[in-house]
Amino acid sequence: GNSVTQMEGPVTLSEEAFLTINCTYTATGYPSLFWYVQYPGEGLQLLLKATKADDKGSNKGFEATYRKETTSFHLEKGSVQVSDSAVYFCALSAQGAQKLVFGQGTRLTINP
Amino acid sequence: DVKVTQSSRYLVKRTGEKVFLECVQDMDHENMFWYRQDPGLGLRLIYFSYDVKMKEKGDIPEGYSVSREKKERFSLILESASTNQTSMYLCASSLLWGYNEQFFGPGTRLTVL
Repeated sequence: GNSVTQMEGPVTLSEEAFLTINCTYTATGYPSLFWYVQYPGEGLQLLLKATKADDKGSNKGFEATYRKETTSFHLEKGSVQVSDSAVYFCALSAQGAQKLVFGQGTRLTINP
Repeated sequence: DVKVTQSSRYLVKRTGEKVFLECVQDMDHENMFWYRQDPGLGLRLIYFSYDVKMKEKGDIPEGYSVSREKKERFSLILESASTNQTSMYLCASSLLWGYNEQFFGPGTRLTVL
């Protein structure tokens, strides 16, 4: 079946550090891939998406590239801020499916 | 912008009570979803609906039911609340055709005493 595996947290970094959160997936066909962010006490917000191989999604300084050869969609940011502290979820939508498959989430804490 | 609203941010109920959680979206989306979120378990799909009066069970439907009488509104019902249903409940919506990106509400934190 379809699945998403993301790196376990929690992840703690200092402000201005480089961030990578790994995400790999298993799916048939050509899924769409998403990163969602959840700030404390809130619902999930779509951070970025990519709908075909080699697409790069980007938003708020975050980037992720859809790599079909490695079935990966790693989230990166060059210089994190305290305000980036949140839980990040990787997700996929399989072709023809209405539901999303979510990873377990990675809690990120940025210290000043 | 898509807006998904949920009727309460925080709710406290007693064991055995019937609980209604309401969700409304304003973008004419066909699909609506109810999830619960628990520490260490991520998001788990309870029910979803792809049209008025249509519903499908998700991964953990036991103890829950849903109602969708109008396209914009999707209700989650706990027939007889139990303490193990204490959780964060998230509603989401999406278009039937497209890339299936879901838009989430702010969540309802339910505590059952």
